[in-house]
Amino acid sequence: EAQVTQNPRYLITVTGKKLTVTCSQNMNHEYMSWYRQDPGLGLRQIYYSMNVEVTDKGDVPEGYKVSRKEKRNFPLILESPSPNQTSLYFCASTPHWGTEAFFGQGTRLTVV
Amino acid sequence: KQEVTQIPAALSVPEGENLVLNCSFTDSAIYNLQWFRQDPGKGLTSLLLIQSSQREQTSGRLNASLDKSSGRSTLYIAASQPGDSATYLCAALNNNAGNMLTFGGGTRLMVKP
Repeated sequence: EAQVTQNPRYLITVTGKKLTVTCSQNMNHEYMSWYRQDPGLGLRQIYYSMNVEVTDKGDVPEGYKVSRKEKRNFPLILESPSPNQTSLYFCASTPHWGTEAFFGQGTRLTVV
Repeated sequence: KQEVTQIPAALSVPEGENLVLNCSFTDSAIYNLQWFRQDPGKGLTSLLLIQSSQREQTSGRLNASLDKSSGRSTLYIAASQPGDSATYLCAALNNNAGNMLTFGGGTRLMVKP
């Protein structure tokens, strides 16, 4: 089944403890992105990647890192999480630029 | 910078009604506009994608239209069903915005049996 898989689905952590949210797609898509969704602010892009080893900042990249060492994987790294990074995170992939976006199930992150 | 607005924020209708969800955007230099459905605890499901050169797209009971000149898109749902209850999001992709979709705030739809 073609899908975008995120793990974990739910995560509660403490301020400053490094964490990684994984994202994997099995559709051989070129583009992958991370978004966060917050009440009243909607979905905003954090980072995106055009292909292996090519990434760029989105609208709200501060406090996040990404890497794209393999085409199928695009992990989101929070080196030192803070409470304002409590949010619902989505990974997305698209075959090429400007094509239909496919989203993962989301990761609900709480930083206390 | 692109801004996308969806009105109303919430809508409740009886089953069987035809309804229209609205999406407006400020920058007409869009490449495409995509409509999504979001169910609680689940991800976003793509419903329809309209290229800037197109006027509308149809899938089953759904029809999406695009008017770049007026900065508007509408999602028409025919013969609504309780299973259509969800939050509907529109998102614009601009030519000069990397790979960033700019999302509206969504319309939360409830279809009552």
